Amino acid sequence: DTGVSQDPRHKITKRGQNVTFRCDPISEHNRLYWYRQTLGQGPEFLTYFQNEAQLEKSRLLSDRFSAERPKGSFSTLEIQRTEQGDSAMYLCASSLTQGDKNIQYFGAGTRLSVL
Amino acid sequence: AQTVTQSQPEMSVQEAETVTLSCTYDTSESDYYLFWYKQPPSRQMILVIRQEAYKQQNATENRFSVNFQKAAKSFSLKISDSQLGDAAMYFCAYMYGGSQGNLIFGKGTKLSVKP
Repeated sequence: DTGVSQDPRHKITKRGQNVTFRCDPISEHNRLYWYRQTLGQGPEFLTYFQNEAQLEKSRLLSDRFSAERPKGSFSTLEIQRTEQGDSAMYLCASSLTQGDKNIQYFGAGTRLSVL
Repeated sequence: AQTVTQSQPEMSVQEAETVTLSCTYDTSESDYYLFWYKQPPSRQMILVIRQEAYKQQNATENRFSVNFQKAAKSFSLKISDSQLGDAAMYFCAYMYGGSQGNLIFGKGTKLSVKP
């Protein structure tokens, strides 16, 4: 198992453009989480999926953000009309519903810079 | 709302010595989990240690141990025999047991290890 992978690792975009990130969780994990981490802060929860269902969204997830997990495997996070305040590290994590002691395994993240 | 506070932005320890990182949290729940995650520079976050709130015994993982004081809502991490590879950001995190599993993180403590 290769762990949680995220693509791209880095993304530079101009304000107003749309960006999409991908996360591939550990293969047997049914839960997938998105977090955002700004400089000097801990990660903040954005949203989470159980299989293909998006079950919870944070108030941080504005209307410009949308996340999908169409077949209960990989997930995408899209940000429309990016703003400079969207610049951050976007982290994905996955876990099992049962067993594995509620442990979330993290990917290396996608660093977004909005110019 | 649950909160996690790490009052030490930076800590330093001599190689082979012991260091303790502090964490306090606020919750009205009785069923929850606490975690310490390590985030090396430009690398993914990895779990260091996990504690279930209903367990009185402090968790240990090799050189890492916690001092869990439930009444005081304190969850400190002790690193014994510090190694150069321990240098990283350390995040304390809380998870409500009855929730879908999103983590609430503190702001982190940057640990430096001096040779």
